[in-house]
Amino acid sequence: GQQLNQSPQSMFIQEGEDVSMNCTSSSIFNTWLWYKQDPGEGPVLLIALYKAGELTSNGRLTAQFGITRKDSFLNISASIPSDVGIYFCAGPDSGNTPLVFGKGTRLSVIA
Amino acid sequence: NAGVTQTPKFRVLKTGQSMTLLCAQDMNHEYMYWYRQDPGMGLRLIHYSVGEGTTAKGEVPDGYNVSRLKKQNFLLGLESAAPSQTSVYFCASSGLAGYEQYFGPGTRLTVT
Repeated sequence: GQQLNQSPQSMFIQEGEDVSMNCTSSSIFNTWLWYKQDPGEGPVLLIALYKAGELTSNGRLTAQFGITRKDSFLNISASIPSDVGIYFCAGPDSGNTPLVFGKGTRLSVIA
Repeated sequence: NAGVTQTPKFRVLKTGQSMTLLCAQDMNHEYMYWYRQDPGMGLRLIHYSVGEGTTAKGEVPDGYNVSRLKKQNFLLGLESAAPSQTSVYFCASSGLAGYEQYFGPGTRLTVT
């Protein structure tokens, strides 16, 4: 099946800084989803992208569907302590699994 | 709406014991999924269902069985638990396969 590679694996930032993370695949995706998982909770959908080149915002979060359809980016502006968590990208797999997830980017915010 | 709920939240089993995890959703979704999450491994799909009475294998199905007798419920069974099945288990549901899955709060299982 397809694999999604997320980078960086983890990051430590100061409160107020902007954050960028990305997700790449070895093959084309038609949909990109970004989830956030708070400690001890289930993942929560942040943003869904359906068209190549699409740029979508949700508050301080902005995600982009790469024009090659093999990557996606998530940016967080002016980070705050509640941004701490693991951010996952995901997309529908053409194989036998409906959705494949990246291994996540763990974000820590230092106040 | 409660969304997706999971029972129990925590469980400790001894090797060889059996148990069933229950997932329920009240969004009338057709598709339901069971994942396991291990440190550094992300979310891996165990089994899924595309409708009442149907099930299919995911990436890591060995050692697990599932049943979808009612549209709103999806059960995950461990017939003979092994320490390798120590993990956090998440259930999810969606209205369309591959899109916008909604997750439950998770079940933390420890097998000793």
